[in-house]
Amino acid sequence: AQSVAQPEDQVNVAEGNPLTVKCTYSVSGNPYLFWYVQYPNRGLQFLLKYITGDNLVKGSYGFEAEFNESQTSFHLKKPSALVSDSALYFCAVRDAAGAGSYQLTFGKGTKLSVIP
Amino acid sequence: NAGVTQTPKFQVLKTGQSMTLQCAQDMNHNSMYWYRQDPGMGLRLIYYSASEGTTDKGEVPNGYNVSRLNKREFSLRLESAAPSQTSVYFCASRGLAKHTDTQYFGPGTRLTVL
Repeated sequence: AQSVAQPEDQVNVAEGNPLTVKCTYSVSGNPYLFWYVQYPNRGLQFLLKYITGDNLVKGSYGFEAEFNESQTSFHLKKPSALVSDSALYFCAVRDAAGAGSYQLTFGKGTKLSVIP
Repeated sequence: NAGVTQTPKFQVLKTGQSMTLQCAQDMNHNSMYWYRQDPGMGLRLIYYSASEGTTDKGEVPNGYNVSRLNKREFSLRLESAAPSQTSVYFCASRGLAKHTDTQYFGPGTRLTVL
């Protein structure tokens, strides 16, 4: 079974400060990891993913995430937060060995609020 | 290129009524998915279709049926709606290209069952 934990329901950060949204995961094999963002009344938008290779993954809108195998974490980061980054962020995982369905398991989401 | 489209955007049903949520993608993707999103629960998979002609249950399939009409379209049916099915429903699709492994989501259908 695969699972994802996002330990913070909400993260508040001042505009211009660095931000981190935390994610830890559990899979039986190698993980494929994803971050999605959801703006109010919209669908989920893909931000970035880790499949293999460099542990630091760069994605859209200046976001990046660091894969840490020993801590089973995949935290989302941005050096300087913008008010427009305020949204709901979802971490997702699937087992790389999973065949056929490629089912993703999502975390419960973290609401990011960037304060002007 | 519209991506993933869903109809309707909003719907209000009475308990016991039936309805079908429509989803279509124009990216020539093989796999399609239906999720529901509830506050504090994240997204939970209802049904998926790994390829045209196949469908399988996800985490929360009870009360729902699906049809993969063709490669483009994947519909979700509620035969007898219940208040517990009040939720936001998202359709997603995924391509088969190596290392793609990314699901693309529609804008959602907000369903209220009274």
